[in-house]
Amino acid sequence: KAGVTQTPRYLIKTRGQQVTLSCSPISGHRSVSWYQQTPGQGLQFLFEYFSETQRNKGNFPGRFSGRQFSNSRSEMNVSTLELGDSALYLCASSLEQGRWTEAFFGQGTRLTVV
Amino acid sequence: AQSVTQLDSQVPVFEEAPVELRCNYSSSVSVYLFWYVQYPNQGLQLLLKYLSGSTLVKSINGFEAEFNKSQTSFHLRKPSVHISDTAEYFCAVKVIKAAGNKLTFGGGTRVLVKP
Repeated sequence: KAGVTQTPRYLIKTRGQQVTLSCSPISGHRSVSWYQQTPGQGLQFLFEYFSETQRNKGNFPGRFSGRQFSNSRSEMNVSTLELGDSALYLCASSLEQGRWTEAFFGQGTRLTVV
Repeated sequence: AQSVTQLDSQVPVFEEAPVELRCNYSSSVSVYLFWYVQYPNQGLQLLLKYLSGSTLVKSINGFEAEFNKSQTSFHLRKPSVHISDTAEYFCAVKVIKAAGNKLTFGGGTRVLVKP
């Protein structure tokens, strides 16, 4: 079974541009979460989607947005990039059965803003 | 709101020596507890989880963690580390009654195993 796939793996963008990151969950998984990882702030929750609906949202500005498609694939978009948006963006998918199911993480997309 | 504190940002340890990574959490509601490991240039992998039952949980590769409710701690231990245990370790919590899978992570502890 294929794991969580994030594309692209690496990205360099210029301040002020926008960027779209993609996450393909494990087949059958309907929940997709996004996290930002930086040396200064650590791992911070961005948002979670389930069945194409945003279920949870972290404390990030409106420049960060996401969506989920009917096949559970998810994208996140960052508009008007700032230098501080440079980070590893991780996506996690889970099956949603019972009281808790494991979240499987992708390898991440490393975004560098110059 | 929940918060997770990992008291050590870096832990150097010699091969075959024991290691303990400390994790304390704060939450007004009940939470599940987790340890994740991140190898260089990789995503996170679940190492251990505490959902209920026995407060001592063990992984297949020799790690164990003990949930202590009174001290709100979930420390991770391994009696004898290998070079391959060099990685960053994250403690995390999830509110039990909250819908969804939102995890709150600690700042991470980088373990460097020296030969």
